[in-house]
Amino acid sequence: DAGVIQSPRHEVTEMGQEVTLRCKPISGHNSLFWYRQTMMRGLELLIYFNNNVPIDDSGMPEDRFSAKMPNASFSTLKIQPSEPRDSAVYFCASSHRDRGVSPLHFGNGTRLTVT
Amino acid sequence: GEDVEQSLFLSVREGDSSVINCTYTDSSSTYLYWYKQEPGAGLQLLTYIFSNMDMKQDQRLTVLLNKKDKHLSLRIADTQTGDSAIYFCAETGGSYIPTFGRGTSLIVHP
Repeated sequence: DAGVIQSPRHEVTEMGQEVTLRCKPISGHNSLFWYRQTMMRGLELLIYFNNNVPIDDSGMPEDRFSAKMPNASFSTLKIQPSEPRDSAVYFCASSHRDRGVSPLHFGNGTRLTVT
Repeated sequence: GEDVEQSLFLSVREGDSSVINCTYTDSSSTYLYWYKQEPGAGLQLLTYIFSNMDMKQDQRLTVLLNKKDKHLSLRIADTQTGDSAIYFCAETGGSYIPTFGRGTSLIVHP
């Protein structure tokens, strides 16, 4: 079990550029979550998918943020255009819904810096 | 909406016990979790407790749940420097989506 895999680990970009973060969930998991972590706001849920379908994107801060899950083994979070206030650590997590206890398994995150 | 509260910092001496506390508001909570986050890493599940239990022990970890007061605690016995990390409390209620606290930074000093 390789765990949840995120790429890149670090991303530094200039304001206005497009940023794409990638996630490979644990095989067999049917739910996928994108979180953002900052000192000011802690851990924020941005969006989650169940069986590749977006269920709740109310945490997505603005239309500049979008997420896709084209298949069960891949998801992307895109920011276009990026702004300095988007600087944060972005985590992807997966779980298996429909099990009694279904803790989230987190990737190691992507640290995004927008200058 | 649901809310989970934790103190932000805890400092202990190596070898002592650490107790990290958490309160939550969702009376329909079914599972309550403790996660650990080390620097540069994601959150890792430490342990969990079902809402019909009041205690769970796993080696140096003891979880206590007071459902009446909606209070959860994590006790780490014989705390080591390797236990220094951020500890998150989380609960799942009617929705299976967990609500996380802000995390407690545990600092272990010699």
